[in-house]
Amino acid sequence: NAGVTQTPKFRVLKTGQSMTLLCAQDMNHEYMYWYRQDPGMGLRLIHYSVGEGTTAKGEVPDGYNVSRLKKQNFLLGLESAAPSQTSVYFCASSLGTGSGETQYFGPGTRLLVL
Amino acid sequence: LAKTTQPISMDSYEGQEVNITCSHNNIATNDYITWYQQFPSQGPRFIIQGYKTKVTNEVASLFIPADRKSSTLSLPRVSLSDTAVYYCLVGDWDTGFQKLVFGTGTRLLVSP
Repeated sequence: NAGVTQTPKFRVLKTGQSMTLLCAQDMNHEYMYWYRQDPGMGLRLIHYSVGEGTTAKGEVPDGYNVSRLKKQNFLLGLESAAPSQTSVYFCASSLGTGSGETQYFGPGTRLLVL
Repeated sequence: LAKTTQPISMDSYEGQEVNITCSHNNIATNDYITWYQQFPSQGPRFIIQGYKTKVTNEVASLFIPADRKSSTLSLPRVSLSDTAVYYCLVGDWDTGFQKLVFGTGTRLLVSP
């Protein structure tokens, strides 16, 4: 049981390049989330998914797209990377929603956009 | 939105008890209070969760007064490995879906 895994761990992009971050979970969780964390800041929600084939915008969705084609995978795409997207990206999953639920986080992907 | 306020940083020494208080004046009736811990270069990790009174697990205790407008995370006998950022969160609903709102957290530094 690996929990939540993220690929890659670190990536350097040039402005305008595109890339996809992969999140995978093996806990059969229905809900998955993508966050970004800037230095010295808390996490901010980018997009989330409440089930296979469904996605929704979070607090800071601009510049990102997501897809949930399989229940265990949640992809985060950057179509045209900008320096402002330099951050650490965390994926999380949860069994359900609501105040009583907890989220399980992956180890993060560090992205540097030059 | 239920927002939280907690100290930016705290310092302690090994073996001491650490209490981190979080204020959440606008907590909703159905909201739970959850604490996460984040080590450098890692994702947040669930520590403890409660609704009212006191909750204890193998890692920490959570004290919640009757009015639920605040809560206190208690870490007994901290060690160097407890140095981390601690986030206090309450449920944040948006059309029925959970969206945890992370503030800047409390940076705890434990010294020898």
